[in-house]
Amino acid sequence: QLQLQESGPGLVKPSETLSLTCTVSGGSVSSSSYCWGWIRQPPGKGLEWIASIYYSGNTYYTPSLKSRVTISVDTSKNQFSLKLSSVTAADTAVYYCGLSGSGGPWGYFQLWGQGTLLTVSS
Amino acid sequence: DIQMTQSPSSLSASVGDRVTITCRASQGINNYLAWFQQKPGKAPKSLIYAASSLESGVPSKFSGSGSGTDFTLTISSLQPEDFATYYCQQYNSYPRTFGQGTKVEIK
Repeated sequence: QLQLQESGPGLVKPSETLSLTCTVSGGSVSSSSYCWGWIRQPPGKGLEWIASIYYSGNTYYTPSLKSRVTISVDTSKNQFSLKLSSVTAADTAVYYCGLSGSGGPWGYFQLWGQGTLLTVSS
Repeated sequence: DIQMTQSPSSLSASVGDRVTITCRASQGINNYLAWFQQKPGKAPKSLIYAASSLESGVPSKFSGSGSGTDFTLTISSLQPEDFATYYCQQYNSYPRTFGQGTKVEIK
């Protein structure tokens, strides 16, 4: 069955660029049936959708982060990634990768990774 | 952007109680609404999609209803394992948006 696993540095310094990777197992990141996304959750707070990418390459970003975020897919490694530049303490959060259907009533996050905590601190 | 407003933000209930959580969208979302359950330290888990469809493997004590802009998650008989935080999310349009969450606590 499909599984997602995030990986990341854990600690990033302010102003640096964070890079997170989600490894997909049990399925193909190239599948036209799926959309891949990132969601974050600051400590003690709610969920915030960050970005999504479709098999077609179409990408969508949350407006507040659009200038700093890039989502991409690496089909050779069956992974997708998130880069967030110029990080500040406000970017400290648990980052989840997620899978949604590629459209219609199945376009919700059906599967989530376990999450990875990213702390921004000098 | 579509704003999702959940109420209440928290509630206290007893085992066996019927619990209802409401989610209101700032505009119509074609019933493209999902509900998630999150326990401390864990990733969210999908419960309901398309406003009223039960995710595979989710107990039938969970149900969703509503249309247009107003939606409801109901837990028919609260059990100890149901104490958690619940989120709604619209997926009708981008940016995807979540409600602020409802924490269900033990009375």
